[in-house]
Amino acid sequence: TQLLEQSPQFLSIQEGENLTVYCNSSSVFSSLQWYRQEPGEGPVLLVTVVTGGEVKKLKRLTFQFGDARKDSSLHITAAQPGDTGLYLCAGDPLAGAGNMLTFGGGTRLMVKP
Amino acid sequence: SQTIHQWPATLVQPVGSPLSLECTVEGTSNPNLYWYRQAAGRGLQLLFYSVGIGQISSEVPQNLSASRPQDRQFILSSKKLLLSDSGFYLCAWSVQAGARLYFGPGTRLTVT
Repeated sequence: TQLLEQSPQFLSIQEGENLTVYCNSSSVFSSLQWYRQEPGEGPVLLVTVVTGGEVKKLKRLTFQFGDARKDSSLHITAAQPGDTGLYLCAGDPLAGAGNMLTFGGGTRLMVKP
Repeated sequence: SQTIHQWPATLVQPVGSPLSLECTVEGTSNPNLYWYRQAAGRGLQLLFYSVGIGQISSEVPQNLSASRPQDRQFILSSKKLLLSDSGFYLCAWSVQAGARLYFGPGTRLTVT
């Protein structure tokens, strides 16, 4: 079983601050997905990173896939209260493994106005 | 466009009672279907997945079962609920294993 460790588990910051969430594993993934979940709703996909070293930007969110495709990070610049939620990373095992996505434990972010 | 429905949205059931949660998908054919459970504010635990009608795989031993009577219908059941079955249950679909997941709105189950 491939495990994904997310850190920190909880993060409470003031509006305007920057933050980084990490998603780490000892296993290699063919791709990695980031989801955001608001209370009482299902997670929604933010981005998928596929290539080692890849960087994708989504407005104030920057996603990076590690060169070895074992880890990923999410950086939020000038956080806003609307960024509050649970952020989940999910790794797709190497092609041909036939396994399901592996989810991290999540990072709960609270941005205070 | 594709949509996914789950019901009920919330459910309060006594210990020992049966359970039936339903999930339906519209706008796609032969999807992979999944049931996840989520503890408060934490990650997702995969309970069951299905790659086709009547094909169910269980990821963890538990008090629950799943069935897929139709291509776009996935049902989560229990004969006798336990307190530990409380949680937020999410149904999801994807075009294949490892692809992005589309989640339903979830069912909040409280076993009392």
